[in-house]
Amino acid sequence: QVQLQESGPGLVKPSQTLSLTCTVSGGGSISSGSYYWSWIRQPAGKALEWIGRIYTSGSTNYNASLKSRVTIAVDTSKNQFSLKLSSVTAADTAVYYCARDTRLYYGSGTYYVDAFDVWGQGTMVTVSS
Amino acid sequence: DIQMTQSPSSLSASVGDRVTITCRASQSISNYLNWYQQKPGKAPQLLIYAASSLQSGVPSRFGGSGSGTDFALTISSLQPEDFATYYCQQTYSSPWTFGQGTKVEIK
Repeated sequence: QVQLQESGPGLVKPSQTLSLTCTVSGGGSISSGSYYWSWIRQPAGKALEWIGRIYTSGSTNYNASLKSRVTIAVDTSKNQFSLKLSSVTAADTAVYYCARDTRLYYGSGTYYVDAFDVWGQGTMVTVSS
Repeated sequence: DIQMTQSPSSLSASVGDRVTITCRASQSISNYLNWYQQKPGKAPQLLIYAASSLQSGVPSRFGGSGSGTDFALTISSLQPEDFATYYCQQTYSSPWTFGQGTKVEIK
């Protein structure tokens, strides 16, 4: 059973860079299977916001609203992927989740949709001086 | 970006009630629509994908319907463990976007 675990500092100063790592375990290599690996965040009491994703080839997709500040990278040797968010402000305070972005086939098996089928437990990051 | 609008924002219901939550997309997304359940302090869990396909392990009292711009999540007989917040999500076009959530509370 694949498990994801976020790690990183819980407090970041304004204007600095937020750095988080997601470790994938229990399901073999992060490179096995056709999966993207995503980051999602959720400010307290608010909705979920997709930040971006990476394929194990290194190909990335970012939310345009954050693209200028976001870098997602993968380290297949450590079965990890990471998030860096630069120039943070209080608005970046949130619970940050990593998740597996899977192609789920339906019907006759010809069609698929992307969905987040495995999530980490989340890590709270506060931006404050 | 595609905007996802859920209604209601919250509802109160009793155990055994039939509950329906709706989600509207700002443009047609075919059936690229997923539903998640989130309990306090926990990560979301996938319930329904492709608008109406039940994720493995999810109880059959959960059902999804809709296509295009209008979708619904129905819980046929609400159980105590179903009190949570529910989110819809589109994966038709990047960036993936979520609705604002519907909180299901105990009446």
